[in-house]
Amino acid sequence: EPEVTQTPSHQVTQMGQEVILRCVPISNHLYFYWYRQILGQKVEFLVSFYNNEISEKSEIFDDQFSVERPDGSNFTLKIRSTKLEDSAMYFCASSLYRTSQRRAQYFGPGTRLTVL
Amino acid sequence: AQKITQTQPGMFVQEKEAVTLDCTYDTSDPSYGLFWYKQPSSGEMIFLIYQGSYDQQNATEGRYSLNFQKARKSANLVISASQLGDSAMYFCAMREGRRSNAGNMLTFGGGTRLMVKP
Repeated sequence: EPEVTQTPSHQVTQMGQEVILRCVPISNHLYFYWYRQILGQKVEFLVSFYNNEISEKSEIFDDQFSVERPDGSNFTLKIRSTKLEDSAMYFCASSLYRTSQRRAQYFGPGTRLTVL
Repeated sequence: AQKITQTQPGMFVQEKEAVTLDCTYDTSDPSYGLFWYKQPSSGEMIFLIYQGSYDQQNATEGRYSLNFQKARKSANLVISASQLGDSAMYFCAMREGRRSNAGNMLTFGGGTRLMVKP
């Protein structure tokens, strides 16, 4: 069964450093997402991406964040200058959008980002 | 106001018994979808079941069923015949709207930790 994959599984970085989190969505999916979950808290939406552009973003997704689909398979989240409060689990998700069918988003296993 | 409320932070259930996890939602959009995800201790998010706002019947997927009460704005997850492997966090989530080009973000509740006792 196809699945979303994410690398690395755990990333440790120093405050102020740039990090890139990588995702390979399910191959025929058209919509891509990033969510984050601070330890012990609820999952929060960051951004959605369709047709090579951002379609929605939350207030969390400020100028320090960017997303890119550099080729036909990868989807990346970049944090330019990490802060302590960016420490969280970051989930990539993808979905195949159909107006009349199930619209489940399938999540990857997550990347745990630790900012020191 | 919270869009998704899960009032049970933690629940215990005896193995082989059924359990209901509560979820209430708030939206003024007539078109929406409700999802349940399972998050085991390993951290991944596993899609369980989906209910559309216009679906006439309650969704079922194996041992999972959704008790959808639209007038009450509730979408409770029922797990029948609980197994030890069901011990996990369970999240209710909602997607609002049916815009043709938008990705439709999910809004999650705070989750319920289910513990299955042998």
